[in-house]
Amino acid sequence: GENVEQHPSTLSVQEGDSAVIKCTYSDSASNYFPWYKQELGKGPQLIIDIRSNVGEKKDQRIAVTLNKTAKHFSLHITETQPEDSAVYFCAASPGGVNKFYFGSGTKLNVKP
Amino acid sequence: EAGVAQSPRYKIIEKRQSVAFWCNPISGHATLYWYQQILGQGPKLLIQFQNNGVVDDSQLPKDRFSAERLKGVDSTLKIQPAKLEDSAVYLCASSFLQGVGTEAFFGQGTRLTVV
Repeated sequence: GENVEQHPSTLSVQEGDSAVIKCTYSDSASNYFPWYKQELGKGPQLIIDIRSNVGEKKDQRIAVTLNKTAKHFSLHITETQPEDSAVYFCAASPGGVNKFYFGSGTKLNVKP
Repeated sequence: EAGVAQSPRYKIIEKRQSVAFWCNPISGHATLYWYQQILGQGPKLLIQFQNNGVVDDSQLPKDRFSAERLKGVDSTLKIQPAKLEDSAVYLCASSFLQGVGTEAFFGQGTRLTVV
């Protein structure tokens, strides 16, 4: 089955700086890559996603890049704010069924 | 639109006891998932339903876990008997379609502690 690895496990940045979280996947059949944000005591919430026919997608301060050849994708957050502090999960979904394999998570701490 | 509802929010039981969790997905969502999230890890899929049929339960420990989705709407996940290693947050999620690239919406989860 699919195996998703995520780095770093923790990330601390100063407010206004950029944050980058990286994931790799193993199954070349994966073609949908969502990113979820999970705040304390809440369920994960989708913040951005990318499909395999696209190399980059941007939504305001958040962007995701995908390199299918290298089987890795990254989340970029610019101009970080304290409210960006949370745990972020990447996921990969192989073709066929809408099934998600999650990374182990990155705890982002944005210091004011 | 109302989100995915789960209950209870918290549950503490002794090992070897049984426990059940309930999930009500977003109205009209055909696909329902149960995930197990152990502290410090990403969610792991236990079972996926499409309407009231099971799509994938390969990761469900069937000797102790069971799940059903009656009438293709609400779902219950049961553990009997519970073990210490079952301590985790159990997340329910739903999506409108089964096709690839369909967003999954998560509930707040049920935090289970087995002592």
